[in-house]
Amino acid sequence: SQQGEEDPQALSIQEGENATMNCSYKTSINNLQWYRQNSGRGLVHLILIRSNEREKHSGRLRVTLDTSKKSSSLLITASRAADTASYFCATHNSGGGADGLTFGKGTHLIIQP
Amino acid sequence: GAVVSQHPSWVICKSGTSVKIECRSLDFQATTMFWYRQFPKQSLMLMATSNEGSKATYEQGVEKDKFLINHASLTLSTLTVTSAHPEDSSFYICSAREWGGDQPQHFGDGTRLSIL
Repeated sequence: SQQGEEDPQALSIQEGENATMNCSYKTSINNLQWYRQNSGRGLVHLILIRSNEREKHSGRLRVTLDTSKKSSSLLITASRAADTASYFCATHNSGGGADGLTFGKGTHLIIQP
Repeated sequence: GAVVSQHPSWVICKSGTSVKIECRSLDFQATTMFWYRQFPKQSLMLMATSNEGSKATYEQGVEKDKFLINHASLTLSTLTVTSAHPEDSSFYICSAREWGGDQPQHFGDGTRLSIL
C-alpha cells in the first residue's frame, strides 16, 4: 500500500523561483529518500535523509525531516527548466516487512521558462 | 558511478508470450535488487526483493509463478513475465543496492511492456 503522500500533486512555477514539495508517511522509518523521474524514464536518486537527521543539503536541494509529524519536504532553489520532472519521496521502513522502498504518489513539477 | 542498466527498454509482444527483462549493476556489486511496477501517472509499487543466491521475496498480491525472478550473480537479476496478457502491460523498473537499507537504491531506466 502507498505510504507516502506528496503534496501538491502538481506544481507549476516560473524559472528562477523556488519549488517546495511535501511528503507525509505513516510508519516508522529508517530513512527517507527523494527521487526524480523524467517522463518514461527510471528514477534518479536525489538525496537520502536518515531518521536521526533533520535537514540535509545537496547543491540546490534542501530536504527536511520531521519524524514527530512523519513528514518531509524537498526544496529546490533557483529552479531551472531542466528541473521539470516528477518527484517522489520513498521511505525505507523499520520494524521488519519489505526491504524495498515505499513510494508516494509523486509531485509533477513544471518549470516554465 | 552506481549505474544500473535495464534491458530491453520496451517490448511489444502477443498475448501468451513470456518476456525476460534484465537488470545489471555495471560498476558495483548489488547484494539486493528490487523490481517495481508503475502504471501511467502513478507511483511505483514494489513487486519483489531479490537477494543474490536466494529466492526472491514477493509482495502480497504478486504472483510468483507469473513473475519469475532470478538473481544469479551480484550484478544481474532477471524478471520473466510468463504467459503475459494485456493486463500485464506496464512499466517495470528495477533497482539495485550495494549494502543495507541505509544506502540509496539506483534505478534502471525501466522497461515498457505492451502485450497485444
